[in-house]
Amino acid sequence: GEDVEQSLFLSVREGDSSVINCTYTDSSSTYLYWYKQEPGAGLQLLTYIFSNMDMKQDQRLTVLLNKKDKHLSLRIADTQTGDSAIYFCAESGTGGSYIPTFGRGTSLIVHP
Amino acid sequence: DVKVTQSSRYLVKRTGEKVFLECVQDMDHENMFWYRQDPGLGLRLIYFSYDVKMKEKGDIPEGYSVSREKKERFSLILESASTNQTSMYLCASSTAGTGTDTQYFGPGTRLTVL
Repeated sequence: GEDVEQSLFLSVREGDSSVINCTYTDSSSTYLYWYKQEPGAGLQLLTYIFSNMDMKQDQRLTVLLNKKDKHLSLRIADTQTGDSAIYFCAESGTGGSYIPTFGRGTSLIVHP
Repeated sequence: DVKVTQSSRYLVKRTGEKVFLECVQDMDHENMFWYRQDPGLGLRLIYFSYDVKMKEKGDIPEGYSVSREKKERFSLILESASTNQTSMYLCASSTAGTGTDTQYFGPGTRLTVL
């Protein structure tokens, strides 16, 4: 079945760029998403990319999709302490399913 | 803005109690979901519903049931709470037929079973 994998932790210094990586196994994914979860809160959609795109930029966020390698990344430029959160990668559309498959989440820690 | 609300942010119950977690969304979404979130395990789907009175099992339905009597409300029921059901419970909703399957999440209920 489909699987989405991401590393559990990432630590960066304030002002640096953060890159959070994700791999998925099913090549028929239609949409790939990045969600953010702040402490004590639910998940909030940050951005998504359609599978026929290879890049999407939105202010400080850049999403790169390498469909051949089934690799998705989220780059946060000029990382701030307010970016400290858990970031979840997800995919949907496999086999017509509308239920996203989530990765386990990457905890981003931003230190001064 | 889509709003998904959950009845409690924190709940403490005793083993064997019947527990109700309620979720309400205000965007007329067809699909609603219940997940539990545990450290290192990410999100695991318990149950979902794609219409009123319809329900489907997710990956970990054992020990849980659900009810969807109205489109905006989706309830998760723990028939007899056990300590291994101590977790963060997240409700989500999504709309059908718009292309993306973006889910909108509530703030979560942190349940402790003693």
